[in-house]
Amino acid sequence: DQQVKQNSPSLSVQEGRISILNCDYTNSMFDYFLWYKKYPAEGPTFLISISSIKDKNEDGRFTVFLNKSAKHLSLHIVPSQPGDSAVYFCAASAFGNEKLTFGTGTRLTIIP
Amino acid sequence: DTAVSQTPKYLVTQMGNDKSIKCEQNLGHDTMYWYKQDSKKFLKIMFSYNNKELIINETVPNRFSPKSPDKAHLNLHINSLELGDSAVYFCASSPLRGDQFTDTQYFGPGTRLTVL
Repeated sequence: DQQVKQNSPSLSVQEGRISILNCDYTNSMFDYFLWYKKYPAEGPTFLISISSIKDKNEDGRFTVFLNKSAKHLSLHIVPSQPGDSAVYFCAASAFGNEKLTFGTGTRLTIIP
Repeated sequence: DTAVSQTPKYLVTQMGNDKSIKCEQNLGHDTMYWYKQDSKKFLKIMFSYNNKELIINETVPNRFSPKSPDKAHLNLHINSLELGDSAVYFCASSPLRGDQFTDTQYFGPGTRLTVL
């Protein structure tokens, strides 16, 4: 049972436009969410996180939105740059449980 | 059906002991990984194997040794456990080599290791 789902395996966006990556979850106990970015042959690197007490967190070009009622979060990248081309993973954890549960990733390709 | 499984899910042990964490994937993937999740919930890659061949070996103490008896299994053996080894360890698999651009990964449920 996949508790964290990234239903789009790939996404292509024109350079300079907005990239929107989506993530859905089923476990209502999740209260902390993270996005990771992964380049080939490297480990994932932390990008941005959000706790359930917020519905938005912004860091430079990256903004994460959380819709608790829909059990949905999204990562917005604007403007998109070629260096943003990577695989993006969504992850979640529940209060009192430090283990993360991961989505399977979305490959983002930025077209120059 | 569990795609990527790890055993045990929880492991509590004393300092100085040797322990193993097992990982199995039934997805037919060629590449498997071990990650360590630190106290801030940040994920760090430790090892990656492709068809039983080591392709990523990050800077980890040599007390950590991955073992891949076949491409469906990647076990992590840890010698002389230390307090700082306490963490959550994740296994993952992907259908392509780690250096290919498309690198969707399927993560296991994690193993919480506590060293006392």
